[in-house]
Amino acid sequence: DGGITQSPKYLFRKEGQNVTLSCEQNLNHDAMYWYRQDPGQGLRLIYYSQIVNDFQKGDIAEGYSVSREKKESFPLTVTSAQKNPTAFYLCASSIDPGYSGNTIYFGEGSWLTVV
Amino acid sequence: GNSVTQMEGPVTLSEEAFLTINCTYTATGYPSLFWYVQYPGEGLQLLLKATKADDKGSNKGFEATYRKETTSFHLEKGSVQVSDSAVYFCALSEVGGSYIPTFGRGTSLIVHP
Repeated sequence: DGGITQSPKYLFRKEGQNVTLSCEQNLNHDAMYWYRQDPGQGLRLIYYSQIVNDFQKGDIAEGYSVSREKKESFPLTVTSAQKNPTAFYLCASSIDPGYSGNTIYFGEGSWLTVV
Repeated sequence: GNSVTQMEGPVTLSEEAFLTINCTYTATGYPSLFWYVQYPGEGLQLLLKATKADDKGSNKGFEATYRKETTSFHLEKGSVQVSDSAVYFCALSEVGGSYIPTFGRGTSLIVHP
Protein backbone atom coordinates (compact mmCIF):
# COMPACT_ATOMS: atom_id res chain seq x y z
CA ASP A 1 0.00 0.00 0.00
CA GLY A 2 1.15 3.55 -0.73
CA GLY A 3 1.78 5.86 2.14
CA ILE A 4 4.18 7.65 4.43
CA THR A 5 6.19 5.71 6.98
CA GLN A 6 7.70 7.42 9.98
CA SER A 7 10.09 5.77 12.39
CA PRO A 8 10.57 5.32 15.19
CA LYS A 9 7.12 5.81 16.71
CA TYR A 10 8.64 6.64 20.09
CA LEU A 11 12.09 8.08 20.71
CA PHE A 12 13.85 9.25 23.84
CA ARG A 13 16.65 11.77 23.69
CA LYS A 14 19.18 12.59 26.34
CA GLU A 15 20.35 16.14 26.87
CA GLY A 16 23.00 17.12 24.32
CA GLN A 17 22.17 14.36 21.86
CA ASN A 18 21.20 14.66 18.22
CA VAL A 19 18.46 12.33 17.03
CA THR A 20 17.12 11.63 13.57
CA LEU A 21 13.51 10.90 12.66
CA SER A 22 12.98 8.93 9.49
CA CYS A 23 10.31 9.68 6.89
CA GLU A 24 9.82 7.59 3.75
CA GLN A 25 7.04 7.89 1.18
CA ASN A 26 6.17 5.65 -1.77
CA LEU A 27 3.53 7.95 -3.22
CA ASN A 28 5.92 9.50 -5.77
CA HIS A 29 5.16 12.91 -4.30
CA ASP A 30 7.39 15.88 -5.06
CA ALA A 31 6.80 17.91 -1.91
CA MET A 32 7.54 16.80 1.63
CA TYR A 33 7.09 18.57 4.96
CA TRP A 34 7.91 18.29 8.63
CA TYR A 35 5.53 19.65 11.26
CA ARG A 36 5.76 19.84 15.02
CA GLN A 37 2.62 19.45 17.11
CA ASP A 38 2.36 20.65 20.71
CA PRO A 39 -0.85 20.50 22.74
CA GLY A 40 -3.12 23.43 22.01
CA GLN A 41 -0.82 24.91 19.38
CA GLY A 42 -1.84 23.07 16.27
CA LEU A 43 0.77 22.30 13.64
CA ARG A 44 3.91 24.35 13.12
CA LEU A 45 6.03 23.96 9.99
CA ILE A 46 9.68 23.10 10.57
CA TYR A 47 11.05 22.47 7.05
CA TYR A 48 9.69 21.68 3.62
CA SER A 49 11.08 20.47 0.33
CA GLN A 50 9.65 20.84 -3.16
CA ILE A 51 12.23 18.80 -5.05
CA VAL A 52 15.24 16.61 -4.43
CA ASN A 53 18.32 18.39 -3.09
CA ASP A 54 16.32 21.48 -2.18
CA PHE A 55 14.59 22.43 1.06
CA GLN A 56 13.38 25.56 2.81
CA LYS A 57 13.03 26.64 6.43
CA GLY A 58 9.57 26.85 7.88
CA ASP A 59 8.38 28.86 10.87
CA ILE A 60 10.38 27.05 13.55
CA ALA A 61 13.53 25.69 11.85
CA GLU A 62 16.01 26.64 14.58
CA GLY A 63 17.57 23.57 16.18
CA TYR A 64 16.50 21.26 13.33
CA SER A 65 18.11 20.09 10.09
CA VAL A 66 16.92 18.07 7.11
CA SER A 67 18.18 16.52 3.89
CA ARG A 68 16.48 15.51 0.66
CA GLU A 69 18.90 13.28 -1.20
CA LYS A 70 16.18 11.03 -2.57
CA LYS A 71 12.64 11.83 -3.65
CA GLU A 72 11.14 9.32 -1.25
CA SER A 73 13.11 10.26 1.85
CA PHE A 74 13.12 13.38 4.05
CA PRO A 75 14.79 12.71 7.43
CA LEU A 76 14.65 15.26 10.23
CA THR A 77 17.49 15.70 12.72
CA VAL A 78 16.70 17.27 16.05
CA THR A 79 19.95 18.77 17.24
CA SER A 80 21.13 19.61 20.73
CA ALA A 81 20.48 23.26 19.86
CA GLN A 82 16.74 22.60 20.07
CA LYS A 83 16.11 23.37 23.71
CA ASN A 84 12.57 22.07 24.00
CA PRO A 85 12.25 19.16 21.58
CA THR A 86 9.63 17.12 23.40
CA ALA A 87 6.71 17.00 20.95
CA PHE A 88 4.83 14.96 18.36
CA TYR A 89 6.47 15.20 14.91
CA LEU A 90 4.53 14.73 11.71
CA CYS A 91 5.93 14.13 8.25
CA ALA A 92 3.73 14.86 5.25
CA SER A 93 3.82 14.95 1.48
CA SER A 94 1.84 16.26 -1.49
CA ILE A 95 1.98 15.44 -5.16
CA ASP A 96 2.56 18.83 -6.79
CA PRO A 97 3.71 21.92 -4.96
CA GLY A 98 2.25 24.18 -7.63
CA TYR A 99 -1.44 23.41 -7.06
CA SER A 100 -3.27 24.77 -4.05
CA GLY A 101 -5.93 22.07 -4.08
CA ASN A 102 -3.53 19.24 -3.37
CA THR A 103 -4.27 17.02 -0.40
CA ILE A 104 -1.52 16.73 2.18
CA TYR A 105 -0.87 13.16 3.26
CA PHE A 106 0.50 12.56 6.73
CA GLY A 107 2.48 9.82 8.38
CA GLU A 108 1.48 8.34 11.72
CA GLY A 109 3.85 10.61 13.63
CA SER A 110 6.79 10.19 15.98
CA TRP A 111 6.82 11.02 19.68
CA LEU A 112 10.09 12.51 20.89
CA THR A 113 10.74 12.85 24.60
CA VAL A 114 13.76 14.35 26.33
CA VAL A 115 14.93 12.34 29.34
CA GLY B 1 -0.12 36.59 5.57
CA ASN B 2 -2.57 33.72 5.53
CA SER B 3 -4.25 32.57 8.71
CA VAL B 4 -6.96 30.19 9.88
CA THR B 5 -9.03 30.67 13.02
CA GLN B 6 -11.04 27.86 14.56
CA MET B 7 -13.38 27.85 17.48
CA GLU B 8 -11.87 26.87 20.80
CA GLY B 9 -12.51 23.40 22.08
CA PRO B 10 -13.23 21.00 23.42
CA VAL B 11 -16.67 20.64 21.92
CA THR B 12 -18.63 18.10 23.95
CA LEU B 13 -21.80 16.57 22.50
CA SER B 14 -24.10 13.67 23.09
CA GLU B 15 -24.44 11.03 20.42
CA GLU B 16 -26.81 12.02 17.57
CA ALA B 17 -26.43 15.75 18.31
CA PHE B 18 -25.80 18.30 15.56
CA LEU B 19 -22.23 19.45 15.15
CA THR B 20 -20.83 22.77 13.98
CA ILE B 21 -17.16 23.69 14.18
CA ASN B 22 -16.49 27.22 13.00
CA CYS B 23 -13.56 28.12 10.78
CA THR B 24 -12.72 31.49 9.28
CA TYR B 25 -9.72 32.40 7.21
CA THR B 26 -7.62 35.27 5.95
CA ALA B 27 -5.96 34.96 2.56
CA THR B 28 -4.69 37.33 -0.08
CA GLY B 29 -6.07 35.44 -3.08
CA TYR B 30 -8.27 32.43 -3.76
CA PRO B 31 -7.28 29.58 -1.49
CA SER B 32 -8.36 26.00 -1.38
CA LEU B 33 -9.88 25.01 1.96
CA PHE B 34 -9.63 21.73 3.83
CA TRP B 35 -10.79 19.91 6.93
CA TYR B 36 -8.46 17.28 8.35
CA VAL B 37 -9.19 14.90 11.22
CA GLN B 38 -6.74 13.44 13.73
CA TYR B 39 -7.64 10.44 15.85
CA PRO B 40 -5.70 9.92 19.10
CA GLY B 41 -2.04 9.06 18.56
CA GLU B 42 -2.30 9.19 14.78
CA GLY B 43 -1.42 11.51 11.93
CA LEU B 44 -3.92 13.74 10.18
CA GLN B 45 -6.10 12.56 7.34
CA LEU B 46 -8.14 14.54 4.86
CA LEU B 47 -11.84 14.70 5.72
CA LEU B 48 -13.07 17.00 2.95
CA LYS B 49 -12.02 19.92 0.80
CA ALA B 50 -13.31 22.68 -1.47
CA THR B 51 -11.23 24.44 -4.08
CA LYS B 52 -13.43 27.39 -5.10
CA ALA B 53 -16.15 29.65 -3.73
CA ASP B 54 -19.59 28.06 -3.12
CA ASP B 55 -18.20 24.54 -3.44
CA LYS B 56 -19.40 22.09 -0.82
CA GLY B 57 -17.07 19.40 0.39
CA SER B 58 -18.61 16.31 1.97
CA ASN B 59 -17.49 12.98 3.37
CA LYS B 60 -18.75 10.49 6.00
CA GLY B 61 -21.75 12.69 6.79
CA PHE B 62 -19.63 15.81 7.32
CA GLU B 63 -20.12 18.89 5.14
CA ALA B 64 -18.52 22.30 4.72
CA THR B 65 -19.29 25.08 2.24
CA TYR B 66 -16.68 27.52 0.96
CA ARG B 67 -18.17 30.98 1.70
CA LYS B 68 -16.03 33.67 0.14
CA GLU B 69 -18.28 36.52 1.28
CA THR B 70 -17.85 35.57 4.94
CA THR B 71 -14.39 33.95 4.52
CA SER B 72 -15.67 30.86 6.29
CA PHE B 73 -15.61 27.09 5.95
CA HIS B 74 -17.64 25.76 8.87
CA LEU B 75 -17.76 22.01 9.44
CA GLU B 76 -21.17 20.43 10.10
CA LYS B 77 -22.63 17.01 10.74
CA GLY B 78 -26.25 16.27 11.38
CA SER B 79 -25.82 13.40 13.84
CA VAL B 80 -22.49 12.69 15.49
CA GLN B 81 -21.31 9.32 16.73
CA VAL B 82 -18.90 8.35 19.50
CA SER B 83 -16.45 7.31 16.77
CA ASP B 84 -16.32 10.93 15.55
CA SER B 85 -14.41 11.91 18.68
CA ALA B 86 -11.16 13.38 17.38
CA VAL B 87 -9.37 16.67 16.73
CA TYR B 88 -10.47 18.57 13.62
CA PHE B 89 -8.18 20.95 11.77
CA CYS B 90 -9.21 23.58 9.27
CA ALA B 91 -6.55 24.49 6.70
CA LEU B 92 -5.98 26.55 3.60
CA SER B 93 -3.53 26.41 0.73
CA GLU B 94 -2.93 29.18 -1.75
CA VAL B 95 -0.82 29.41 -4.87
CA GLY B 96 0.84 32.72 -5.52
CA GLY B 97 2.29 33.59 -2.17
CA SER B 98 3.07 30.16 -0.86
CA TYR B 99 1.40 26.85 -1.52
CA ILE B 100 2.38 25.67 1.96
CA PRO B 101 -0.78 24.76 3.87
CA THR B 102 -1.72 26.92 6.82
CA PHE B 103 -3.48 25.04 9.64
CA GLY B 104 -5.75 26.22 12.40
CA ARG B 105 -5.07 25.21 15.99
CA GLY B 106 -7.49 22.32 15.90
CA THR B 107 -10.78 21.74 17.71
CA SER B 108 -11.22 18.72 19.92
CA LEU B 109 -14.60 16.96 19.65
CA ILE B 110 -15.77 14.62 22.39
CA VAL B 111 -18.96 12.64 21.79
CA HIS B 112 -20.59 10.87 24.73
CA PRO B 113 -22.90 7.85 24.34
